[in-house]
Amino acid sequence: QKEVEQDPGPLSVPEGAIVSLNCTYSNSAFQYFMWYRQYSRKGPELLMYTYSSGNKEDGRFTAQVDKSSKYISLFIRDSQPSDSATYLCAMSTDSWGKFQFGAGTQVVVTP
Amino acid sequence: EAEVAQSPRYKITEKSQAVAFWCDPISGHATLYWYRQILGQGPELLVQFQDESVVDDSQLPKDRFSAERLKGVDSTLKIQPAELGDSAMYLCASGSGGGDTQYFGPGTRLTVL
Repeated sequence: QKEVEQDPGPLSVPEGAIVSLNCTYSNSAFQYFMWYRQYSRKGPELLMYTYSSGNKEDGRFTAQVDKSSKYISLFIRDSQPSDSATYLCAMSTDSWGKFQFGAGTQVVVTP
Repeated sequence: EAEVAQSPRYKITEKSQAVAFWCDPISGHATLYWYRQILGQGPELLVQFQDESVVDDSQLPKDRFSAERLKGVDSTLKIQPAELGDSAMYLCASGSGGGDTQYFGPGTRLTVL
């Protein structure tokens, strides 16, 4: 069993809808949680970075961490076709240590 | 905005040949990472440097892969000899630690024929 589980999708939503993504994990020592966006054949781009539990909001993006359930989420409001990409979750036990990535969820936003 | 630089962006080689990838991290970042990403999967760490020292190379296939960061700045990842199963995206990332996270370069897409 992988330490980080992420549904690969694809997840197809109409423009303007809310995109809901999530990852589950098994290692209770994870403290740092990240979401990256990766366009086809490009490097991952950092979207959200949170420490420990709670919510964090940045524009149209909201990240949630529930350490008691070992579950993290990313919500994208008012989705746009330009949000079509693969979204990777990543987590680590410390800020500069080894990251464990999910497999990524492919999102398609249709006009 | 500072970015991680990588070259080449694409590399096609025949099996048993040697290949090398270069990475220049964000200025001032002491930690440098090399990842391999197979299509449809998340990146997997190959090697982590803190300045010029290797911190973690437990997943690096040392019989054919080598990595160095001689002056604690830029880094080179080498594969010799390349095998068909090495076809993947090779990503470099850097970080400053102290609560910061990792920032990725554009990657090098390797195809081994």
